[in-house]
Amino acid sequence: SAVISQKPSRDICQRGTSLTIQCQVDSQVTMMFWYRQQPGQSLTLIATANQGSEATYESGFVIDKFPISRPNLTFSTLTVSNMSPEDSSIYLCSVEGGLRIGFGPGTRLTVL
Amino acid sequence: TQLLEQSPQFLSIQEGENLTVYCNSSSVFSSLQWYRQEPGEGPVLLVTVVTGGEVKKLKRLTFQFGDARKDSSLHITAAQPGDTGLYLCARKKTGANNLFFGTGTRLTVIP
Repeated sequence: SAVISQKPSRDICQRGTSLTIQCQVDSQVTMMFWYRQQPGQSLTLIATANQGSEATYESGFVIDKFPISRPNLTFSTLTVSNMSPEDSSIYLCSVEGGLRIGFGPGTRLTVL
Repeated sequence: TQLLEQSPQFLSIQEGENLTVYCNSSSVFSSLQWYRQEPGEGPVLLVTVVTGGEVKKLKRLTFQFGDARKDSSLHITAAQPGDTGLYLCARKKTGANNLFFGTGTRLTVIP
């Protein structure tokens, strides 16, 4: 399976600020996704990161709040904008490409 | 609806006991995956089941896909503390490549 890393692993942020999370894969993958996992809950898809075009967002998530970049087949970023305490969650990237599938270790975000 | 209900939501058992976790849906799906997630890590794929009635074994874990492909179960024999974690079932979202996750079962195995 692919080796996926995320930076930062955790952060504590002030309300109203923004945080950009990076996801790096050790090989080229077709699909990259961003998920949110709120405390004690399951995973919910935020968006599909499309290489070379705008991300595809799920219902309830918008580009202004969660802008996503995917400049190539091994890297993507998710920005959590104008944060509020309700954004405190674990944010995970996931990849799929042929037989390679997996999740990053997650970024634990706490908003004060 | 694509809701995947897992039960129980929480489970705390003694080491050596057996347990079963269930994943149920009102709709048919072509395949289903089971994941385990430990604190501070992302979910790790345990198994994919595809055929109705299919049974797969992974050491002490037995996975079953319902005949009608609407439900699945995970049975753990002689649970160990290392089995502690969040167990998630997931399916591919219709017409997409991303995963739709179940509500999760948090298992704690007490030494």
